[in-house]
Amino acid sequence: AQSVTQPDIHITVSEGASLELRCNYSYGATPYLFWYVQSPGQGLQLLLKYFSGDTLVQGIKGFEAEFKRSQSSFNLRKPSVHWSDAAEYFCAVGAHYGGATNKLIFGTGTLLAVQP
Amino acid sequence: NAGVTQTPKFRILKIGQSMTLQCTQDMNHNYMYWYRQDPGMGLKLIYYSVGAGITDKGEVPNGYNVSRSTTEDFPLRLELAAPSQTSVYFCASSYSGQASNQPQHFGDGTRLSIL
Repeated sequence: AQSVTQPDIHITVSEGASLELRCNYSYGATPYLFWYVQSPGQGLQLLLKYFSGDTLVQGIKGFEAEFKRSQSSFNLRKPSVHWSDAAEYFCAVGAHYGGATNKLIFGTGTLLAVQP
Repeated sequence: NAGVTQTPKFRILKIGQSMTLQCTQDMNHNYMYWYRQDPGMGLKLIYYSVGAGITDKGEVPNGYNVSRSTTEDFPLRLELAAPSQTSVYFCASSYSGQASNQPQHFGDGTRLSIL
């Protein structure tokens, strides 16, 4: 069965420090992978996506993620965190559901806190 | 750009009451979705639609109904509200291109409490 695991429920980093959020997926075929960010009281905003090709993808707000097929991972990184990055981050895999419909399977999220 | 608009933003219901959560999108997307978000659980798909007049159940459809009379609108109906339906509800839409590779665009959510 398709699934997404985000092993870290909560992470705290200092402003200016680097960040890596982990994501592991289980999917039988080539996955379509997404990272979304949710600020308090807001909906989810797409940070970046991987479909094929270059395994290092760049997103908005200075984020990047690397697809590693051998590790079934799609970790999100940022070299220098800003206080405004405090939010909840969701990894998701796109999967077929009920025919040709796309469905997003979400991880349980990682809540990022940024210390001044 | 309006994108996906959900109303209301907040609502408190009594057990047994009914209500409709509204969702409209102005991106001419054929695919629309309803999710619920509970703490520590991520998002779970309630219902989805691949176009006007076509809807189907997701992972957690019990206690909900949907309709899709137009491309723009995808309302979610709670007929007999129960405390287990206390949650944050998100509507999303996506382009009907190749399956599975289209990002979904989300509304800001409706926070619903059943007391």
